[in-house]
Amino acid sequence: GENVEQHPSTLSVQEGDSAVIKCTYSDSASNYFPWYKQELGKRPQLIIDIRSNVGEKKDQRIAVTLNKTAKHFSLHITETQPEDSAVYFCAASPLGNEKLTFGTGTRLTIIP
Amino acid sequence: GAVVSQHPSWVICKSGTSVKIECRSLDFQATTMFWYRQFPKQSLMLMATSNEGSKATYEQGVEKDKFLINHASLTLSTLTVTSAHPEDSSFYICSARGTGDTLRRGYNEQFFGPGTRLTVL
Repeated sequence: GENVEQHPSTLSVQEGDSAVIKCTYSDSASNYFPWYKQELGKRPQLIIDIRSNVGEKKDQRIAVTLNKTAKHFSLHITETQPEDSAVYFCAASPLGNEKLTFGTGTRLTIIP
Repeated sequence: GAVVSQHPSWVICKSGTSVKIECRSLDFQATTMFWYRQFPKQSLMLMATSNEGSKATYEQGVEKDKFLINHASLTLSTLTVTSAHPEDSSFYICSARGTGDTLRRGYNEQFFGPGTRLTVL
């Protein structure tokens, strides 16, 4: 089955700086890669996703890049704000299979 | 649109009792629903996948006789934790997937419920 690794597990960034979270996956059949933000005790919220036919996608301060050859994808948050503090999860889903395999999560703390 | 609800939001029960958790898609038809379990400071682990009108598919290591899943309609799936024990205490989250046509999207995104915190004493 799919295995998704995520790094770092914790990340502290000064407000206004950029944050980068990286994930690798094992199943070359995976073609859908969402990123979720989860605040304590709340549901995961989709913040951005990318499919395997695209190398990069951007939505305001958030961007995701995908390297299919290397089987890794990254989340980039620019101009970080205190409200960006949360746990972020990456996930991967293979073609024709709806199951999401989640990474282990990154606790992002934005220092004011 | 694409709202998923869960009930109850939290529940405390005694060891040995059963607890039922409901997951509803409020404004779309969910062809597939997923149940996840999340222990404190850990990731979401998929427990099972349920399709309306058919038996759920359980992930390896998840006891199907302990975690009963019913997906009786396109808007409701239930998870029953039978003979609950303290080690079953966790945050249970469902997600629902519609179709691209249903949600007017080009792909099938999963929408998560708010979660149910189960505490077994």
